[in-house]
Amino acid sequence: RKEVEQDPGPFNVPEGATVAFNCTYSNSASQSFFWYRQDCRKEPKLLMSVYSSGNEDGRFTAQLNRASQYISLLIRDSKLSDSATYLCVVINPTDSWGKLQFGAGTQVVVTP
Amino acid sequence: DGGITQSPKYLFRKEGQNVTLSCEQNLNHDAMYWYRQDPGQGLRLIYYSQIVNDFQKGDIAEGYSVSREKKESFPLTVTSAQKNPTAFYLCASSIRGGEAFFGQGTRLTVV
Repeated sequence: RKEVEQDPGPFNVPEGATVAFNCTYSNSASQSFFWYRQDCRKEPKLLMSVYSSGNEDGRFTAQLNRASQYISLLIRDSKLSDSATYLCVVINPTDSWGKLQFGAGTQVVVTP
Repeated sequence: DGGITQSPKYLFRKEGQNVTLSCEQNLNHDAMYWYRQDPGQGLRLIYYSQIVNDFQKGDIAEGYSVSREKKESFPLTVTSAQKNPTAFYLCASSIRGGEAFFGQGTRLTVV
């Protein structure tokens, strides 16, 4: 089983709609979680950190469910510019504090 | 400007050649990483380093080598032993337990 798993998609979303997707992780000791955005042929860029209490940044909301070991990302009022691949990242301190575990990414395509 | 810089942006390698990809950061981060990304795929960890003069193999280290002689620099050498090196290579750095910041990547092509 992979340490971090994501639905690859694509999630085809009409402009203005809401889309949500999850990322599951296998190590219950994982303590830091992030969502990154990657555009085609570009480097990943940090979208937001995921806190235990959940957090919101404009149209983006991230949640952490420790009991079920997943994090989620919700995008409201989708824009065409939200089309990208969204990567979740988990840091496992019991493995190696510096080893980031990336999911393979979820592709989102926002259509007019 | 603080950041992480990779060079070159594009690199062409002949069969049997070793090539070195540069990665420099001025963010004062302890940890640095090298990832490989193939088209339509996720990131796979090649090597990572938590501190100067120390580094660890990632999931796909065969055919690659690294050094960490300075905190700011973490070069990656793609050796002739790497049979399929054509890919997008990404370098990143982070503080302990923190988010990673990426360079713009190097596209390596075997010709």
